[in-house]
Amino acid sequence: GAVVSQHPSRVICKSGTSVKIECRSLDFQATTMFWYRQFPKKSLMLMATSNEGSKATYEQGVEKDKFLINHASLTLSTLTVTSAHPEDSSFYICSASNFSTADYGYTFGSGTRLTVV
Amino acid sequence: AQSVTQLGSHVSVSEGALVLLRCNYSSSVPPYLFWYVQYPNQGLQLLLKYTTGATLVKGINGFEAEFKKSETSFHLTKPSAHMSDAAEYFCAVSDQKRDDKIIFGKGTRLHILP
Repeated sequence: GAVVSQHPSRVICKSGTSVKIECRSLDFQATTMFWYRQFPKKSLMLMATSNEGSKATYEQGVEKDKFLINHASLTLSTLTVTSAHPEDSSFYICSASNFSTADYGYTFGSGTRLTVV
Repeated sequence: AQSVTQLGSHVSVSEGALVLLRCNYSSSVPPYLFWYVQYPNQGLQLLLKYTTGATLVKGINGFEAEFKKSETSFHLTKPSAHMSDAAEYFCAVSDQKRDDKIIFGKGTRLHILP
């Protein structure tokens, strides 16, 4: 089945630095990828929709200059948390839509635990 | 706008008992509906999905769900709970447009009692 690889799985960074998270579709082309943030014991909050070759669409309340999204190819989207602060600590999950006829759906990465100290 | 409501943030059942996790949705167009499971510090795994056709959908690990348009529901069931079913379960909806975003419910934590 469809596989999405997300790296790193865990990262600890200092306040003020930037962190990049990668999301790759391994065996299918994903024209659209989604980035979610999950707070402890909470649901997934959609941050932005990433389309290959165009600017990401951010949800209301999400700072686009803070969370930079790049979708340079059909298999790779990146989320960069710029000038990270402790309140950015969270679990970030990416997802790619897969529209092959046999397996419509959304495949999720395994998530990235970001801790800002 | 679409939305999903999951009744009960926590559900406890005894091992071997019926599992019932409730999900109601709101959508102005025919929806696609999903159930995902999440284990601690992991991503989401698809349990099952409804797109079109048969309204009773069977998924992995013995789970199934029934799409009831009249009730705008998509409840998840499993006849006999197993300890390994303890996890967070999310119901989700998207409309039938290609590449549309998926909206999640708040999740239900399933506890299995020995």
